[in-house]
Amino acid sequence: KAGVTQTPRYLIKTRGQQVTLSCSPISGHRSVSWYQQTPGQGLQFLFEYFSETQRNKGNFPGRFSGRQFSNSRSEMNVSTLELGDSALYLCASSLWGIGGDEQYFGPGTRLTVT
Amino acid sequence: AQSVTQPDIHITVSEGASLELRCNYSYGATPYLFWYVQSPGQGLQLLLKYFSGDTLVQGIKGFEAEFKRSQSSFNLRKPSVHWSDAAEYFCAVGANNAGNMLTFGGGTRLMVKP
Repeated sequence: KAGVTQTPRYLIKTRGQQVTLSCSPISGHRSVSWYQQTPGQGLQFLFEYFSETQRNKGNFPGRFSGRQFSNSRSEMNVSTLELGDSALYLCASSLWGIGGDEQYFGPGTRLTVT
Repeated sequence: AQSVTQPDIHITVSEGASLELRCNYSYGATPYLFWYVQSPGQGLQLLLKYFSGDTLVQGIKGFEAEFKRSQSSFNLRKPSVHWSDAAEYFCAVGANNAGNMLTFGGGTRLMVKP
């Protein structure tokens, strides 16, 4: 069974631009979560989607948004990029997105904002 | 609010030596606990998880972890470390509600001496 895939793997953007990252979950998984990883803040939860609905959201500004499609694929968007948005963005999928569900992570998208 | 502390930022062990990585958590109910490993430039791989029952859980790659409720700890152990175990290790606690949010510790970077 194929794992979680994320595209693109690397991205360089300029401050003020916007960016869209994509995540394809493991086949059959309906929950997709997004995390930001930075050296200073570590791994932080962004949001989680299940059946095209956002069920949970971390403490990030409204510039960070996401969506999920009927095939469970998910995208996250960051508008008006800031230098501090440079990070590794990780997507994780799980079957139902309930407590204790195993989450399987993709390789991440490395975003650099200049 | 849930939180996870990994007291050791870096640990160096000799190949063949035993390993113990510490993790302390704070959570109001019975937690879901996980250990993940991240190799450079990669996503997170699940090593093992604890939900309930036997407090000693076995994972992949010869790792095990012991849940101690009285100490709010979930330490990861391996009896004999291999050079390929060099990576960063993350302990995480999961909420027992929908939305699948994981709260991660700051990570412990393991270096293995030949």
